[in-house]
Amino acid sequence: GENVEQHPSTLSVQEGDSAVIKCTYSDSASNYFPWYKQELGKGPQLIIDIRSNVGEKKDQRIAVTLNKTAKHFSLHITETQPEDSAVYFCAASIANDMRFGAGTRLTVKP
Amino acid sequence: GAGVSQTPSNKVTEKGKYVELRCDPISGHTALYWYRQSLGQGPEFLIYFQGTGAADDSGLPNDRFFAVRPEGSVSTLKIQRTERGDSAVYLCASSPRGGMSYEQYFGPGTRLTVT
Repeated sequence: GENVEQHPSTLSVQEGDSAVIKCTYSDSASNYFPWYKQELGKGPQLIIDIRSNVGEKKDQRIAVTLNKTAKHFSLHITETQPEDSAVYFCAASIANDMRFGAGTRLTVKP
Repeated sequence: GAGVSQTPSNKVTEKGKYVELRCDPISGHTALYWYRQSLGQGPEFLIYFQGTGAADDSGLPNDRFFAVRPEGSVSTLKIQRTERGDSAVYLCASSPRGGMSYEQYFGPGTRLTVT
């Protein structure tokens, strides 16, 4: 089955800096790659997603890139704000199987 | 509109007891998913419903776990003879479309603690 690895496990940045989180996946047939933000005591919230027929997608300060050949995808957050602090999860899916990474705890220092 | 809701938010039970966890999906969403999240890990898939039927239950760890969705809306995850290893946050998600390749909206989860 699919295996997703996520790096780094923790990331600390200064407010206003950019943050990048990277994920790799194992199954080349995976076709959907969502990113979730999870705040303490809450469920994951979808923030952006990308499909395998697209290389990049952007939504305001958030962007995701996908490299199908290398089987990796990345989340980019620009102009980080303290409210961006949370745990971020990547996931990769195919048919009825979705696998999540172990998460990245992002801390944005004011 | 209202999001996915889950009850109870917290459940403490003794080893060997039976528990039921409830999920109310977003109105009109045909697909419903259950996940389990252990501390410091990403959600782990348990079961997926399309309408009333379980389209994929390959993630259920053993036969102590069972889930139903009798009317295609509310779902209940049932765990028999609970074990300490069942302690985790149980997340429910719903989607307007089926399968795993579309956006899923998660509830806040039920934190289950087995003592």
